[in-house]
Amino acid sequence: AQSVTQPDIHITVSEGASLELRCNYSYGATPYLFWYVQSPGQGLQLLLKYFSGDTLVQGIKGFEAEFKRSQSSFNLRKPSVHWSDAAEYFCAVGAWDTGNQFYFGTGTSLTVIP
Amino acid sequence: DAGVTQSPTHLIKTRGQQVTLRCSPKSGHDTVSWYQQALGQGPQFIFQYYEEEERQRGNFPDRFSGHQFPNYSSELNVNALLLGDSALYLCASSPGLAGPFDTQYFGPGTRLTVL
Repeated sequence: AQSVTQPDIHITVSEGASLELRCNYSYGATPYLFWYVQSPGQGLQLLLKYFSGDTLVQGIKGFEAEFKRSQSSFNLRKPSVHWSDAAEYFCAVGAWDTGNQFYFGTGTSLTVIP
Repeated sequence: DAGVTQSPTHLIKTRGQQVTLRCSPKSGHDTVSWYQQALGQGPQFIFQYYEEEERQRGNFPDRFSGHQFPNYSSELNVNALLLGDSALYLCASSPGLAGPFDTQYFGPGTRLTVL
């Protein structure tokens, strides 16, 4: 069965600093990988997704993620964090044999300090 | 273009009661999925509806049931509420059953508190 691990429960970064959120997945076949962001009182918003092809994926709000099959990782990065990026970030994995069923990680809470 | 809407926003129930949550999908979407997000956890898949039928189901007991209407809107029903059912319930919509290629659009959720 698929599973997703986000090892960092909480991360604090200074505004303007770079950011990397870690995500490791477990799945036997080719996974489909996603990063979502959840702000307080808001629904989940898709930041980016990886299905195939170029392993470096660009998303919205200046985020990018890199798929590394050898490390079973799909880490999210942003070169310069803005105060508005403070939110909860979720990595998720899906696959053809689960249709639209996603497996989410437990999330990483991001705090941005001025 | 309205996104996914859910009602009510908040709900307080007592143990043993029954609850119904509602979801209207994004315009043009005909597939609705429901998720339970407990405090401090990621969302967990409950089930998915397409063409008014339950197509997939996660690891949730039969106390959790749903329905999809001809206009694609959906309801989630939970019977015999337990304290552990307290969570944010998220609805997501997508176009058709093309699988994970389709982006799911999430609503803001319904916060259910069971006392």
